[in-house]
Amino acid sequence: AQKITQTQPGMFVQEKEAVTLDCTYDTSDPSYGLFWYKQPSSGEMIFLIYQGSYDQQNATEGRYSLNFQKARKSANLVISASQLGDSAMYFCAMRGGSTSGTYKYIFGTGTRLKVLA
Amino acid sequence: NAGVTQTPKFQVLKTGQSMTLQCAQDMNHNSMYWYRQDPGMGLRLIYYSASEGTTDKGEVPNGYNVSRLNKREFSLRLESAAPSQTSVYFCASMVGRGRENIQYFGAGTRLSVL
Repeated sequence: AQKITQTQPGMFVQEKEAVTLDCTYDTSDPSYGLFWYKQPSSGEMIFLIYQGSYDQQNATEGRYSLNFQKARKSANLVISASQLGDSAMYFCAMRGGSTSGTYKYIFGTGTRLKVLA
Repeated sequence: NAGVTQTPKFQVLKTGQSMTLQCAQDMNHNSMYWYRQDPGMGLRLIYYSASEGTTDKGEVPNGYNVSRLNKREFSLRLESAAPSQTSVYFCASMVGRGRENIQYFGAGTRLSVL
């Protein structure tokens, strides 16, 4: 069975500092994808970054990078130079192999990040 | 540039009432999904649809039905609402091909069942 684990319910970081949000996963599919989403207090789900299981390099998108360690089954999100607007809930998600003609995703329980001025 | 549109944004129901949550996407995506979000539990998949005319159960389908009306629209129906269905409901769509298969979400429907 597939599983996503986020062990940090809440995190604090000082403005302009970097922060790492942890995510570990478990799957038997050889091909999978890992995603991070941001959910601000307004409630919408915003896609941040994607890492494919066969990607050799860690994904980066602006201030976001994904520290992908395949052997450890971890996909940690690193936010550099934190801003007040980064305060939000962050979800790690995994896309497994194809089923019924499409893909299913599972989500972690989230980490609430608070950036301090 | 609407993306995924959900209606209504808020709804209060009494136990036993029925209602349909609407979802439409304008990105020509093949796959659509319904999730519920409860505190401390992340998002859980209720139903999904790989393409027009097909639907499949997810992790928590009991108490819900869905209809994939056409490629654009995917509705979620609560036939007899229960307090346990108080939640925030998200619709999402995904192109269904290509490498990344990113899901794009609607703004959510906050439902309270009294």
